[in-house]
Amino acid sequence: NAGVTQTPKFQVLKTGQSMTLQCAQDMNHEYMSWYRQDPGMGLRLIHYSVGAGITDQGEVPNGYNVSRSTTEDFPLRLLSAAPSQTSVYFCASRKEYTQETQYFGPGTRLLVL
Amino acid sequence: GQQLNQSPQSMFIQEGEDVSMNCTSSSIFNTWLWYKQDPGEGPVLLIALYKAGELTSNGRLTAQFGITRKDSFLNISASIPSDVGIYFCAGREGSQGNLIFGKGTKLSVKP
Repeated sequence: NAGVTQTPKFQVLKTGQSMTLQCAQDMNHEYMSWYRQDPGMGLRLIHYSVGAGITDQGEVPNGYNVSRSTTEDFPLRLLSAAPSQTSVYFCASRKEYTQETQYFGPGTRLLVL
Repeated sequence: GQQLNQSPQSMFIQEGEDVSMNCTSSSIFNTWLWYKQDPGEGPVLLIALYKAGELTSNGRLTAQFGITRKDSFLNISASIPSDVGIYFCAGREGSQGNLIFGKGTKLSVKP
């Protein structure tokens, strides 16, 4: 198993550009989520999904869109990047309806100029 | 949004010393997790706790699920330089739903 994978590892954007952060898992996990990590703020939940076709907002969803067309993939879209979205983004997954733990991807570092 | 209170925020210790950190919540949790994040990496699970009062070890790390179900503790014994990183606690109220994360404890170890 590759676990949770994320691409790209690094990205620089200009204000107003759009991009998609990719996340995939090969563990057949129902639950997938996106977090952003900023200094002193810990991990804040952006969006999450409990299964294909189902998504919901987390703590800080503004400026981000998600979709879940397959169990394996959960892309995060920035439609019009802003400097406030400069951050490190982590994708995570776990099996739902169990006490199984949550696994994180290696992260995507995003700089918006 | 709801957050856990994790303390201390940072620690500077000498190699060989023991370390203690804790998290408290206003909610009762059914699951407590402790993660470590190395610089430039994603969080990696250290210990998972599922029962009140549970005490679990992973090498030099020991974590406890508080009796009140509103707190958890992580201890590291005989610290070494590779213990450097950020330690996060996380909790969840049931078997479904989102994890709530503490803001992390940044550990620095002087050789």
